[in-house]
Amino acid sequence: SAVISQKPSRDICQRGTSLTIQCQVDSQVTMMFWYRQQPGQSLTLIATANQGSEATYESGFVIDKFPISRPNLTFSTLTVSNMSPEDSSIYLCSVVRQEGTQYFGPGTRLLVL
Amino acid sequence: AQTVTQSQPEMSVQEAETVTLSCTYDTSESDYYLFWYKQPPSRQMILVIRQEAYKQQNATENRFSVNFQKAAKSFSLKISDSQLGDAAMYFCAGGNKLVFGAGTILRVKS
Repeated sequence: SAVISQKPSRDICQRGTSLTIQCQVDSQVTMMFWYRQQPGQSLTLIATANQGSEATYESGFVIDKFPISRPNLTFSTLTVSNMSPEDSSIYLCSVVRQEGTQYFGPGTRLLVL
Repeated sequence: AQTVTQSQPEMSVQEAETVTLSCTYDTSESDYYLFWYKQPPSRQMILVIRQEAYKQQNATENRFSVNFQKAAKSFSLKISDSQLGDAAMYFCAGGNKLVFGAGTILRVKS
C-alpha cells in the first residue's frame, strides 16, 4: 500500500481567494494524480502531476484555475485559484504503485463561501 | 476505461447475508486494471479489491470477490457474510487513468 498525507484536511475559504493543498507520499512514486469529488458525486480526474514537467490536465480543467507543482517524486501541490462556491468539493491526491494499484490520500474538504 | 457504469444507486442487505453490486465498463485499452473502492462517511477511499484484465481468474479478498466477465465488460462485486462495517459508498473504477462509476450506497441492516 502507500501512506499518503494531505494538508489541510479541511478549510473554509472566501470566494476570490486561493488555496494550496499539499500531498506527501511515504516513498517515491512515478504516477501521482489529483481528483475532485463534488458533493454527492463520484470522483473526477483533474490532472496528472508530472515530476519535472507541466501537469497533464483532463478536459474541463485548466492550469490557470488548478495549477499543480511536482518538485520531486514524493510531493505535489494543487492550488484552487480564484475560488467560487462551485469549487466546494473534496480534493484527493492518489498515487500508483508498481503493481498498478492506485491509492488515495485522505482528501481535503473545501468549502467556499 | 472510458466509461464505467453502476446502475444501482442504492442497495440493502441483511447482516450476514450476501449482496452483489453491479458494474459495467467500456474501454479501448488492451491491458487494464479494474477496482472496487469503498468510501465510508470519513470520505477516505479504501481499496477493496482489484482485478487485472489479463487474468481470467476472479479476484478474491476474504469476504469480497468479483465476477469478472471480460467479453461482457462486466465487473460485479460480491460481499459475503455482510457486516455492519461494510455500509458505505462503493465505487467501481477502471482503466490506466482511473475512471469512476457513479457509486452504489450499500446499507446493512441488523
